[in-house]
Amino acid sequence: SQQGEEDPQALSIQEGENATMNCSYKTSINNLQWYRQNSGRGLVHLILIRSNEREKHSGRLRVTLDTSKKSSSLLITASRAADTASYFCATASTGAGSYQLTFGKGTKLSVIP
Amino acid sequence: GAVVSQHPSRVICKSGTSVKIECRSLDFQATTMFWYRQFPKQSLMLMATSNEGSKATYEQGVEKDKFLINHASLTLSTLTVTSAHPEDSSFYICSASNAGGVPQHFGDGTRLSIL
Repeated sequence: SQQGEEDPQALSIQEGENATMNCSYKTSINNLQWYRQNSGRGLVHLILIRSNEREKHSGRLRVTLDTSKKSSSLLITASRAADTASYFCATASTGAGSYQLTFGKGTKLSVIP
Repeated sequence: GAVVSQHPSRVICKSGTSVKIECRSLDFQATTMFWYRQFPKQSLMLMATSNEGSKATYEQGVEKDKFLINHASLTLSTLTVTSAHPEDSSFYICSASNAGGVPQHFGDGTRLSIL
């Protein structure tokens, strides 16, 4: 079964607005990563947050992690039309096979110019 | 950044054909490569994990005789879909990571359509 579950499944916003996507997971993790996928393409790694971190920034991206609630959020500030894509969270579990990722179902973001 | 090349990007073939998909890491040594399958509007499902020089580890429910994986070098892994049928039609994506394991670098995927 899928470890990560994103919500919302789809999000449509105006250019310049902020976009927030949430991810929940079920088991203990080593780290949580966010990826972006343009339609029909592979995934691009955006940001990684470790289990002992609570917040991380990278450019217009801000990721939070709450291990007590087993949830994470991805905030994209000042969105651009080029941010239109699907965004997936992926968790790396603890223990053996910790390099394997389990992906959520993704949030499809549409940024309207 | 690290580059992973996946080829071909699209395949259309008749039922019963075997199809080989290549995944190459162009500028780093990929200790581990992963193969995923993605159905329309759905997430990536891990099919198998392969380490260079050893047999791939398949996820539950994935037929290893159906999906043959070879990881003969630190820069190349191949996935062969044997005797493909229409239900095998999907988007297949590979990824690669070095010894550190993080992050995974993804290819652009292969759209497989079996008629």
